[in-house]
Amino acid sequence: AQSVAQPEDQVNVAEGNPLTVKCTYSVSGNPYLFWYVQYPNRGLQFLLKYITGDNLVKGSYGFEAEFNKSQTSFHLKKPSALVSDSALYFCAVRDGNTDKLIFGTGTRLQVFP
Amino acid sequence: NAGVTQTPKFRILKIGQSMTLQCAQDMNHNYMYWYRQDPGMGLKLIYYSVGAGITDKGEVPNGYNVSRSTTEDFPLRLELAAPSQTSVYFCASSYRGRSSSYEQYFGPGTRLTVT
Repeated sequence: AQSVAQPEDQVNVAEGNPLTVKCTYSVSGNPYLFWYVQYPNRGLQFLLKYITGDNLVKGSYGFEAEFNKSQTSFHLKKPSALVSDSALYFCAVRDGNTDKLIFGTGTRLQVFP
Repeated sequence: NAGVTQTPKFRILKIGQSMTLQCAQDMNHNYMYWYRQDPGMGLKLIYYSVGAGITDKGEVPNGYNVSRSTTEDFPLRLELAAPSQTSVYFCASSYRGRSSSYEQYFGPGTRLTVT
């Protein structure tokens, strides 16, 4: 069965430092991978996706993600964190059999001034 | 475009009451979804629809019903509300076709408390 894992419930980083939010996946066939962000009391916003092509995917708000097939990972990164990046981040994988998205449990990112 | 809209934003129900959560999208998306979000549990799919007149169950459909009479609207019905249905509910939509992009667009959510 398709699944994603976000091993960290929370990531803390100082403003200006690089950040990484981890995601690993398990899927049969080619993975379609997504990152979403959720600000307090808001819906999820799409950040970026990997479907095919370059392993480094660039998305909104300066975020990028690196697809690593051998490690079955799709970590979210940003070179320099902002306090306004503090939010809940979800990784998701498309289930190719049902065409549904399967979400991880989320990682709370806290950026301290 | 308003995107995906949901009403109401908040609701408190008594056990056994029923209600309908409204969802509408103006992006002409053919696929629509209902999720619930419980703390620390991520999002669980309740029901989804691939087009008007077609609906199917997700992971956690018990206690809910849906209908899709138009492309734009996808209401979620709760019959006989139970405390276990206390959650935040999100509606989402996506386009699937020749130029599918696969990402889903989410509404702002409805926070439901059943007491």
